[in-house]
Amino acid sequence: KQEVTQIPAALSVPEGENLVLNCSFTDSAIYNLQWFRQDPGKGLTSLLLIQSSQREQTSGRLNASLDKSSGRSTLYIAASQPGDSATYLCAVQSGGSYIPTFGRGTSLIVHP
Amino acid sequence: NAGVTQTPKFRVLKTGQSMTLLCAQDMNHEYMYWYRQDPGMGLRLIHYSVGEGTTAKGEVPDGYNVSRLKKQNFLLGLESAAPSQTSVYFCASSSSRNTLYEQYFGPGTRLTVT
Repeated sequence: KQEVTQIPAALSVPEGENLVLNCSFTDSAIYNLQWFRQDPGKGLTSLLLIQSSQREQTSGRLNASLDKSSGRSTLYIAASQPGDSATYLCAVQSGGSYIPTFGRGTSLIVHP
Repeated sequence: NAGVTQTPKFRVLKTGQSMTLLCAQDMNHEYMYWYRQDPGMGLRLIHYSVGEGTTAKGEVPDGYNVSRLKKQNFLLGLESAAPSQTSVYFCASSSSRNTLYEQYFGPGTRLTVT
């Protein structure tokens, strides 16, 4: 059974820092990995999706990498801003399954 | 293109009452999902559907029923609400075609059972 872990559970950083959020998974036979952002009281917004054949995806200040062999993905946020404050979740779609497995998320606070 | 929509946004029920949550998507996605999100528990899958007319149980199906009579709609029913069903409910959809199983979420329904 796939298990997804996100460490740290919470992170507080000053504005302007570059930061890395981690996502690890136990079964490397994945189809894709997706990063989401969730603002308080809101739904999940997709940030980046990495297919199993890819090593990374970039969108603006965000860069997500995937290392299937080690069961890890990282979300790099460059030059963090207070508007980046949110919970970030990763989800892994295993090969042959319709159901993604979600991590518990990392709650990020970027203070001015 | 509205994406995934959910109605209602908020609801308060008394124990034993019933209600139906509606999820609609306009992206022609095959797969649809109902999750609940509780503090400290993360997202948990209640039921899902891989196509019109099909449904399957997820991780926490007890106390819920679902139907998918039309491809674009996925209904979640609570026949006799209990306080333990107080939660935020999210619907999601995905497709194996162009979007490669990328999940799209609705805005959520906040349900309180007293």
